[in-house]
Amino acid sequence: DTEVTQTPKHLVMGMTNKKSLKCEQHMGHRAMYWYKQKAKKPPELMFVYSYEKLSINESVPSRFSPECPNSSLLNLHLHALQPEDSALYLCASSTRTGGYEQYFGPGTRLTVT
Amino acid sequence: GQNIDQPTEMTATEGAIVQINCTYQTSGFNGLFWYQQHAGEAPTFLSYNVLDGLEEKGRFSSFLSRSKGYSYLLLKELQMKDSASYLCAVLNSGNTPLVFGKGTRLSVIA
Repeated sequence: DTEVTQTPKHLVMGMTNKKSLKCEQHMGHRAMYWYKQKAKKPPELMFVYSYEKLSINESVPSRFSPECPNSSLLNLHLHALQPEDSALYLCASSTRTGGYEQYFGPGTRLTVT
Repeated sequence: GQNIDQPTEMTATEGAIVQINCTYQTSGFNGLFWYQQHAGEAPTFLSYNVLDGLEEKGRFSSFLSRSKGYSYLLLKELQMKDSASYLCAVLNSGNTPLVFGKGTRLSVIA
């Protein structure tokens, strides 16, 4: 199984809503990542988890809150988002951080109204 | 600091060969990745180079020169389905994550 799954595929939420994005992998990878990607731009790293511990937070606003409940799951909790937060949110995983291929999930297309 | 440069857009003809260049400047280097991304889809891994030279994988090849801070992705026998963005990503030394270039949008025309 070389797949990273993400749910939901699409999400529309208002600025006062609270929602969560979910990511799952069963490849035994110990590094998991959240990226944000706007149209025609490269992915921008948001968070890195290494062995279930947050190792990198790229100065992301607190309205985005990551969580890694176990080695297979990664969540991104959303609260009080802004319309400019509308983007494709990609989850990825790799064996470890460092020189390992990152496997990307299909992404969640988020629209904030 | 880090700087990764690649052309914004390229157009090539079906059946032809195209070379997408990537130059980088990093404080430490631990490898370079190429990813392909179709519009609205997730990036998919194409290649990883950490030593100088050419890595060939079917119609795709990737080259790295560490001394020049330069890599290219070579696509042969282009097909319409190769129309996509191609992302160059550099891995710094230590456990820092990938840094992506802005991507090259390749259009393959008949």
